[in-house]
Amino acid sequence: DAKTTQPNSMESNEEEPVHLPCNHSTISGTDYIHWYRQLPSQGPEYVIHGLTSNVNNRMASLAIAEDRKSSTLILHRATLRDAAVYYCILRNAGGTSYGKLTFGQGTILTVHP
Amino acid sequence: NAGVTQTPKFQVLKTGQSMTLQCAQDMNHNSMYWYRQDPGMGLRLIYYSASEGTTDKGEVPNGYNVSRLNKREFSLRLESAAPSQTSVYFCASTWGRYYEQYFGPGTRLTVT
Repeated sequence: DAKTTQPNSMESNEEEPVHLPCNHSTISGTDYIHWYRQLPSQGPEYVIHGLTSNVNNRMASLAIAEDRKSSTLILHRATLRDAAVYYCILRNAGGTSYGKLTFGQGTILTVHP
Repeated sequence: NAGVTQTPKFQVLKTGQSMTLQCAQDMNHNSMYWYRQDPGMGLRLIYYSASEGTTDKGEVPNGYNVSRLNKREFSLRLESAAPSQTSVYFCASTWGRYYEQYFGPGTRLTVT
């Protein structure tokens, strides 16, 4: 599986935008970029995913570099409830992996009031 | 809808004891997964079931067995628990390989 690299931790202030980076230099053409987050003592929660184009949903935006070797999850106005571990995951659309998610260490986001 | 439910929430076992972790989903999803999460780590896939009647091994299947009882339920069994199986266990479900996964709240298991 292609690997992702994320910073161990980031900090933000409430109501400010947050840009969470992810590097995936060995991404293949059939790898989708998925983001999940895990709030304290909870199961992971889907945030957003994309293939080549930038994506927006009610939770966040995903900006994908033109060469697809990196991406950035954007939280437009961080709230205290966004404090979580954010995982950037490459998910292969084909092969025998059957949609399994391979979680790395993720980025611990701390949001200050 | 309850989403994905897991029972029990907490469990303490002695080495060598057996137990079954239960998972159920009410979203009519085809695929279900069991993951474990050790302290400070990301999740690792134990087993998955692509559809009712099929199961396959993930990254760390040793010491576990699974049963896809029907479309709704996917159980994980520890036949002879070991301290190395102390972890938080998460069940997840999805429509299929291209869709997002929905996770349950987890079962915290301690083996002494």
